[in-house]
Amino acid sequence: NAGVTQTPKFRILKIGQSMTLQCTQDMNHNYMYWYRQDPGMGLKLIYYSVGAGITDKGEVPNGYNVSRSTTEDFPLRLELAAPSQTSVYFCASSRTSGEVNEQFFGPGTRLTVL
Amino acid sequence: AQSVAQPEDQVNVAEGNPLTVKCTYSVSGNPYLFWYVQYPNRGLQFLLKYITGDNLVKGSYGFEAEFNKSQTSFHLKKPSALVSDSALYFCAVRDMNSGYSTLTFGKGTMLLVSP
Repeated sequence: NAGVTQTPKFRILKIGQSMTLQCTQDMNHNYMYWYRQDPGMGLKLIYYSVGAGITDKGEVPNGYNVSRSTTEDFPLRLELAAPSQTSVYFCASSRTSGEVNEQFFGPGTRLTVL
Repeated sequence: AQSVAQPEDQVNVAEGNPLTVKCTYSVSGNPYLFWYVQYPNRGLQFLLKYITGDNLVKGSYGFEAEFNKSQTSFHLKKPSALVSDSALYFCAVRDMNSGYSTLTFGKGTMLLVSP
């Protein structure tokens, strides 16, 4: 049982490049989330999903896209990378919605856009 | 709208002393409240949660938190701090009466426990 896994761990992008951050969970959780963490700012929700085929915007969705074709996977896509997207990205999952059940977090992806 | 405030950027405590990390919240209804801990270069780990019932909630690693509705607070406490408790701590809240919504996290408080 690996929990929530994220790849890559680190990445440096040039402005305008695109990439996909991968997230997989093996706990059969319906709910999955993407957050970004900036120093002194806590975690901001980018997108979330309540099940395969269903996604919705969080607090800071601009510049990102997601898809959820399976229960296990929830990739995050950056189409045109900008310096403002330099951050640490965390994927999380929970058995049902996060208001009652705790979220399980992956180890994070540290992204730098130059 | 729901919000959470962690008024201290950093808390310093000596090993063996009690520690408190403060959290206050704002919701329109009744809250669900969580504490998470983040060790360097790691994801967040769940510590404890308040859903309903007893105002004193016990969690992992000897931590506990006290829910105070009149003061809208949910402070994290531990009777005797360890150097290994040094980490970044996040409080999170969700308004249980707001329909489906997600957690709102505070900015985090760095806890430094000195030997």
